[in-house]
Amino acid sequence: DTEVTQTPKHLVMGMTNKKSLKCEQHMGHRAMYWYKQKAKKPPELMFVYSYEKLSINESVPSRFSPECPNSSLLNLHLHALQPEDSALYLCASSQNLLVDIQYFGAGTRLSVL
Amino acid sequence: KQEVTQIPAALSVPEGENLVLNCSFTDSAIYNLQWFRQDPGKGLTSLLLIQSSQREQTSGRLNASLDKSSGRSTLYIAASQPGDSATYLCAVPQGAQKLVFGQGTRLTINP
Repeated sequence: DTEVTQTPKHLVMGMTNKKSLKCEQHMGHRAMYWYKQKAKKPPELMFVYSYEKLSINESVPSRFSPECPNSSLLNLHLHALQPEDSALYLCASSQNLLVDIQYFGAGTRLSVL
Repeated sequence: KQEVTQIPAALSVPEGENLVLNCSFTDSAIYNLQWFRQDPGKGLTSLLLIQSSQREQTSGRLNASLDKSSGRSTLYIAASQPGDSATYLCAVPQGAQKLVFGQGTRLTINP
C-alpha cells in the first residue's frame, strides 16, 4: 500500500473560520510534508516533520499551524486565512528525509472567500 | 541555492512518438533526482527516482538519465499514448530536507 490519504478533497471557508486538513499514511514512513501549490506552479514546501517533530518551517504565516499527533497522521490547522491562501494543499511522506521516494496525496482544494 | 529548470514548458506531439523532457539544476551536489507526473487538479505521482550514483533508471516505457557533472537529467517516453498527457515535474534536494521542483513540462499527446 503506497497510499497517502488527504481529507477533505475540497474545502470552502470564510476568512474568520477555523478548519483543519488531515493527512494519513500507513506505510511506516517517518517523514511527512505539507506543500502548497498554486495553479500552473510547482509545489512549494511549507513544513517538514521527521519522527513526529517539526523539522522545517519555510517561514509560513502563523495562520497555518501544523500538527503531527502520531507517526501516521499529519494535520494542518487553518485560521483567519486570506483569499490568496486559496490553493491545492498537498501532503507527502517518505521513508526517510529526501533519500527515498516521496509519495503524495491527492490534495485538498481550498477556497477562501 | 538550488534552481531547477525544465524545457520545454509545453509540448504537444502525436500519439506513438518518442519524446524527451529536459531538466537542469544548478547545484550538482545532489543525493538524487525524482521525476513526477501530475494530472490536472490531482496530486503528484512519483515516476522514477535516480540516486546520485546511478546514471539511468527505467520503468516500462519511461527512462530517466542523470548527468550530475553537467547538472542535467532527461526523461525519455517511448511510444507515447494519450494517457501520458499530464504535467511532468523534476525535483532535486536542496540541503538535507527540502525538495526543489522545476516549473514542469505540460505534455499533450494527440490521438
